[in-house]
Amino acid sequence: TQLLEQSPQFLSIQEGENLTVYCNSSSVFSSLQWYRQEPGEGPVLLVTVVTGGEVKKLKRLTFQFGDARKDSSLHITAAQPGDTGLYLCAGASPSGYSTLTFGKGTMLLVSP
Amino acid sequence: NAGVTQTPKFQVLKTGQSMTLQCAQDMNHEYMSWYRQDPGMGLRLIHYSVGAGITDQGEVPNGYNVSRSTTEDFPLRLLSAAPSQTSVYFCASSRPPGQLAFFGQGTRLTVV
Repeated sequence: TQLLEQSPQFLSIQEGENLTVYCNSSSVFSSLQWYRQEPGEGPVLLVTVVTGGEVKKLKRLTFQFGDARKDSSLHITAAQPGDTGLYLCAGASPSGYSTLTFGKGTMLLVSP
Repeated sequence: NAGVTQTPKFQVLKTGQSMTLQCAQDMNHEYMSWYRQDPGMGLRLIHYSVGAGITDQGEVPNGYNVSRSTTEDFPLRLLSAAPSQTSVYFCASSRPPGQLAFFGQGTRLTVV
Protein backbone atom coordinates (compact mmCIF):
# COMPACT_ATOMS: atom_id res chain seq x y z
CA THR A 1 0.00 0.00 0.00
CA GLN A 2 1.35 3.39 -1.00
CA LEU A 3 1.05 6.08 1.66
CA LEU A 4 1.38 9.84 1.34
CA GLU A 5 2.13 11.85 4.46
CA GLN A 6 1.25 15.53 4.38
CA SER A 7 2.58 18.11 6.78
CA PRO A 8 1.57 20.18 8.50
CA GLN A 9 -2.02 19.06 9.08
CA PHE A 10 -3.15 22.59 9.97
CA LEU A 11 -1.67 25.98 9.22
CA SER A 12 -3.03 29.34 10.35
CA ILE A 13 -1.18 32.39 9.06
CA GLN A 14 -1.63 36.08 8.41
CA GLU A 15 -2.13 37.59 5.00
CA GLY A 16 1.21 38.27 3.31
CA GLU A 17 3.14 35.43 4.93
CA ASN A 18 4.86 32.65 3.00
CA LEU A 19 4.27 28.96 3.66
CA THR A 20 5.31 25.51 2.48
CA VAL A 21 3.30 22.31 2.58
CA TYR A 22 5.01 18.96 2.24
CA CYS A 23 3.92 15.63 0.79
CA ASN A 24 6.19 12.66 1.47
CA SER A 25 6.20 8.96 0.71
CA SER A 26 8.53 5.97 0.67
CA SER A 27 6.99 4.94 -2.68
CA VAL A 28 7.76 6.15 -6.17
CA PHE A 29 4.93 7.77 -8.11
CA SER A 30 4.57 8.26 -11.85
CA SER A 31 3.06 11.65 -11.17
CA LEU A 32 1.92 13.72 -8.25
CA GLN A 33 -0.97 16.13 -8.20
CA TRP A 34 -2.09 18.92 -5.92
CA TYR A 35 -5.72 19.76 -5.33
CA ARG A 36 -7.47 22.48 -3.36
CA GLN A 37 -10.82 21.85 -1.75
CA GLU A 38 -13.15 24.50 -0.38
CA PRO A 39 -15.93 23.73 2.12
CA GLY A 40 -18.89 21.95 0.53
CA GLU A 41 -17.09 21.45 -2.76
CA GLY A 42 -15.11 18.72 -4.45
CA PRO A 43 -11.31 18.91 -4.84
CA VAL A 44 -10.12 20.99 -7.77
CA LEU A 45 -6.90 20.11 -9.54
CA LEU A 46 -4.18 22.77 -9.26
CA VAL A 47 -1.22 21.11 -10.93
CA THR A 48 0.34 17.80 -11.85
CA VAL A 49 4.09 17.14 -11.80
CA VAL A 50 5.55 14.23 -13.70
CA THR A 51 9.32 14.52 -13.98
CA GLY A 52 11.69 14.13 -11.02
CA GLY A 53 13.00 17.56 -10.02
CA GLU A 54 10.24 19.35 -11.91
CA VAL A 55 9.17 22.78 -10.71
CA LYS A 56 5.89 24.38 -11.77
CA LYS A 57 4.60 27.82 -10.93
CA LEU A 58 0.98 28.91 -10.81
CA LYS A 59 0.92 32.63 -9.95
CA ARG A 60 2.01 32.75 -6.28
CA LEU A 61 2.09 28.94 -5.94
CA THR A 62 5.25 26.94 -6.63
CA PHE A 63 5.13 23.15 -6.85
CA GLN A 64 8.17 20.90 -6.80
CA PHE A 65 8.49 17.16 -7.43
CA GLY A 66 11.39 15.44 -5.70
CA ASP A 67 14.25 14.05 -7.77
CA ALA A 68 13.33 10.49 -6.77
CA ARG A 69 9.58 11.13 -7.41
CA LYS A 70 8.71 10.20 -3.83
CA ASP A 71 7.90 13.63 -2.45
CA SER A 72 6.58 17.04 -3.37
CA SER A 73 6.17 20.48 -1.90
CA LEU A 74 3.81 23.40 -2.39
CA HIS A 75 5.09 26.87 -1.58
CA ILE A 76 2.74 29.86 -1.43
CA THR A 77 4.22 33.35 -1.53
CA ALA A 78 2.39 36.25 0.10
CA ALA A 79 -0.65 34.22 1.06
CA GLN A 80 -4.08 35.80 0.66
CA PRO A 81 -7.42 34.97 2.36
CA GLY A 82 -8.57 33.50 -0.95
CA ASP A 83 -5.89 30.80 -0.54
CA THR A 84 -7.79 29.39 2.45
CA GLY A 85 -8.79 25.77 1.92
CA LEU A 86 -7.78 22.13 2.22
CA TYR A 87 -4.74 21.26 0.11
CA LEU A 88 -4.46 17.63 -0.95
CA CYS A 89 -1.63 15.85 -2.66
CA ALA A 90 -2.29 12.67 -4.64
CA GLY A 91 0.11 10.22 -6.22
CA ALA A 92 -0.42 7.95 -9.21
CA SER A 93 1.36 4.61 -9.08
CA PRO A 94 3.82 3.77 -11.86
CA SER A 95 2.21 0.50 -12.90
CA GLY A 96 -0.68 -0.08 -15.30
CA TYR A 97 -4.01 1.60 -14.75
CA SER A 98 -3.27 3.60 -11.68
CA THR A 99 -5.50 4.75 -8.92
CA LEU A 100 -4.75 7.89 -6.99
CA THR A 101 -3.46 7.70 -3.43
CA PHE A 102 -4.38 10.82 -1.47
CA GLY A 103 -2.69 12.37 1.49
CA LYS A 104 -4.89 13.43 4.41
CA GLY A 105 -4.56 17.08 3.51
CA THR A 106 -3.31 20.34 4.95
CA MET A 107 -5.96 22.79 6.15
CA LEU A 108 -4.77 26.34 5.47
CA LEU A 109 -6.40 29.38 7.03
CA VAL A 110 -5.20 32.79 5.91
CA SER A 111 -6.49 35.65 8.03
CA PRO A 112 -6.70 39.26 6.79
CA ASN B 1 -19.70 22.62 -19.25
CA ALA B 2 -21.24 20.28 -16.64
CA GLY B 3 -18.16 18.11 -15.91
CA VAL B 4 -19.01 15.60 -13.18
CA THR B 5 -22.51 15.74 -11.74
CA GLN B 6 -23.49 14.01 -8.51
CA THR B 7 -26.96 13.59 -7.10
CA PRO B 8 -28.30 13.99 -4.51
CA LYS B 9 -26.23 16.62 -2.70
CA PHE B 10 -27.58 15.62 0.73
CA GLN B 11 -29.24 12.43 1.96
CA VAL B 12 -30.36 11.01 5.30
CA LEU B 13 -30.94 7.28 5.52
CA LYS B 14 -32.09 4.98 8.26
CA THR B 15 -29.92 2.01 9.15
CA GLY B 16 -30.69 -0.87 6.81
CA GLN B 17 -32.07 1.21 3.98
CA SER B 18 -30.55 1.02 0.52
CA MET B 19 -29.93 3.77 -1.94
CA THR B 20 -28.01 4.70 -5.07
CA LEU B 21 -25.73 7.69 -5.41
CA GLN B 22 -25.69 8.91 -8.99
CA CYS B 23 -22.66 10.14 -10.90
CA ALA B 24 -22.54 11.30 -14.51
CA GLN B 25 -19.77 12.87 -16.55
CA ASP B 26 -19.90 14.49 -19.97
CA MET B 27 -16.16 14.58 -20.76
CA ASN B 28 -16.03 11.11 -22.36
CA HIS B 29 -13.55 9.99 -19.72
CA GLU B 30 -12.88 6.27 -19.53
CA TYR B 31 -11.83 6.27 -15.90
CA MET B 32 -14.29 6.90 -13.06
CA SER B 33 -14.00 6.38 -9.34
CA TRP B 34 -15.80 6.81 -6.04
CA TYR B 35 -14.17 8.14 -2.87
CA ARG B 36 -15.37 8.77 0.61
CA GLN B 37 -13.99 11.60 2.71
CA ASP B 38 -14.01 11.42 6.48
CA PRO B 39 -12.43 13.82 9.00
CA GLY B 40 -8.80 12.95 9.58
CA MET B 41 -8.88 10.15 6.99
CA GLY B 42 -8.51 12.01 3.73
CA LEU B 43 -10.01 10.62 0.53
CA ARG B 44 -10.28 6.85 0.37
CA LEU B 45 -11.03 4.94 -2.81
CA ILE B 46 -14.17 2.77 -2.71
CA HIS B 47 -14.51 1.42 -6.26
CA TYR B 48 -13.25 2.42 -9.65
CA SER B 49 -13.84 1.66 -13.30
CA VAL B 50 -11.45 1.83 -16.23
CA GLY B 51 -14.20 1.62 -18.83
CA ALA B 52 -17.75 0.50 -19.50
CA GLY B 53 -18.31 -3.01 -18.16
CA ILE B 54 -15.12 -2.99 -16.04
CA THR B 55 -15.05 -2.27 -12.32
CA ASP B 56 -12.67 -3.02 -9.49
CA GLN B 57 -12.42 -2.58 -5.75
CA GLY B 58 -10.52 0.17 -4.04
CA GLU B 59 -9.33 0.50 -0.47
CA VAL B 60 -12.74 0.43 1.27
CA PRO B 61 -15.25 -1.49 -0.90
CA ASN B 62 -17.28 -3.35 1.73
CA GLY B 63 -20.97 -2.42 1.80
CA TYR B 64 -20.90 -0.80 -1.64
CA ASN B 65 -21.63 -2.01 -5.15
CA VAL B 66 -20.97 -0.37 -8.50
CA SER B 67 -21.69 -1.02 -12.14
CA ARG B 68 -20.63 0.74 -15.34
CA SER B 69 -23.03 0.11 -18.19
CA THR B 70 -22.16 3.33 -20.05
CA THR B 71 -19.12 5.59 -20.29
CA GLU B 72 -21.10 8.47 -18.80
CA ASP B 73 -22.61 6.93 -15.66
CA PHE B 74 -21.11 5.27 -12.59
CA PRO B 75 -23.68 4.78 -9.80
CA LEU B 76 -22.70 3.73 -6.29
CA ARG B 77 -25.14 1.50 -4.40
CA LEU B 78 -25.34 1.16 -0.64
CA LEU B 79 -26.92 -2.23 -0.05
CA SER B 80 -27.85 -1.89 3.63
CA ALA B 81 -26.81 1.43 5.09
CA ALA B 82 -24.87 1.50 8.36
CA PRO B 83 -23.92 4.47 10.56
CA SER B 84 -20.26 3.81 9.63
CA GLN B 85 -21.16 4.84 6.08
CA THR B 86 -21.95 8.37 7.19
CA SER B 87 -19.52 10.38 5.08
CA VAL B 88 -19.11 12.70 2.16
CA TYR B 89 -18.91 10.82 -1.12
CA PHE B 90 -17.11 12.10 -4.19
CA CYS B 91 -17.21 10.81 -7.72
CA ALA B 92 -14.31 11.59 -10.04
CA SER B 93 -13.51 11.01 -13.68
CA SER B 94 -10.28 11.17 -15.64
CA ARG B 95 -8.50 9.96 -18.71
CA PRO B 96 -6.37 6.84 -18.27
CA PRO B 97 -4.41 6.02 -16.31
CA GLY B 98 -6.27 7.93 -13.62
CA GLN B 99 -4.44 11.20 -13.51
CA LEU B 100 -5.91 14.70 -13.70
CA ALA B 101 -9.10 13.78 -11.87
CA PHE B 102 -12.20 15.96 -12.07
CA PHE B 103 -14.43 15.71 -9.03
CA GLY B 104 -18.12 16.21 -8.53
CA GLN B 105 -19.44 18.43 -5.76
CA GLY B 106 -20.06 15.53 -3.41
CA THR B 107 -22.96 13.84 -1.64
CA ARG B 108 -23.20 14.31 2.11
CA LEU B 109 -24.76 11.13 3.49
CA THR B 110 -25.94 10.65 7.05
CA VAL B 111 -27.07 7.24 8.27
CA VAL B 112 -29.06 7.28 11.49
